[in-house]
Amino acid sequence: EIQLQESGPGLVKPSQSLSLTCSVTGYTITSGYDWSWIRKFPGNKMEWMGYISNSGSTNYNPSLKIRISITRDTSKNQFFLQLNSVTTEDTATYYCARYGTHWGQGVMVTVSS
Amino acid sequence: DVVMTQTPVSLSLAIGQPASISCKSSQSLLGTSGKTFLNWILQRPGQSPKRLIYQVSKLYSEVPDRFSGSGSETEFTLKISRVEAEDLGVYYCWQGTHFPLTFGSGTKLEIK
Repeated sequence: EIQLQESGPGLVKPSQSLSLTCSVTGYTITSGYDWSWIRKFPGNKMEWMGYISNSGSTNYNPSLKIRISITRDTSKNQFFLQLNSVTTEDTATYYCARYGTHWGQGVMVTVSS
Repeated sequence: DVVMTQTPVSLSLAIGQPASISCKSSQSLLGTSGKTFLNWILQRPGQSPKRLIYQVSKLYSEVPDRFSGSGSETEFTLKISRVEAEDLGVYYCWQGTHFPLTFGSGTKLEIK
């Protein structure tokens, strides 16, 4: 059974970078599918941030394109999110997902000084 | 970006009642492949989202058949034939036809 688990700091200061890790078990990320980062803001709004494909190509939401990077470590079966120059508007629960079908538990990230 | 408009914002239903949630997209979700990538997910309180329906009307294997999806082009509906206690939570439609992928604003289902 595929499982995804996010990890990373729950508090980030404004103007710094947010870095999260998604660890995948039960499926090899190079075998198929796109591996996404999605966030849910306070109040229920969901935003797809971007993905890294099984081949390693990336696709980002244009609203984040200059700040976001998604990379991977295939030896550890993990993929990563880096979001630069964060503001309080980036406070959200961050999920990693296999496409939109299997989701991690999510990690709440607060941007605050 | 494709705007996904969900109605109603919330529903309060007794167990056994039917439920219907509408999702409308700002442009057609029929892709060049001939497939329509309109999906539904449910987020129960304190849990991560769970998949329900893909390509408008196809249920994932673990989803009870009291759930059904229908629609085409820009108008879609999720129906629950008889609501059960475990169905409470926030339902989202989301589209995978156009980049960026976009989500509806959610419909909260409460059990009376």
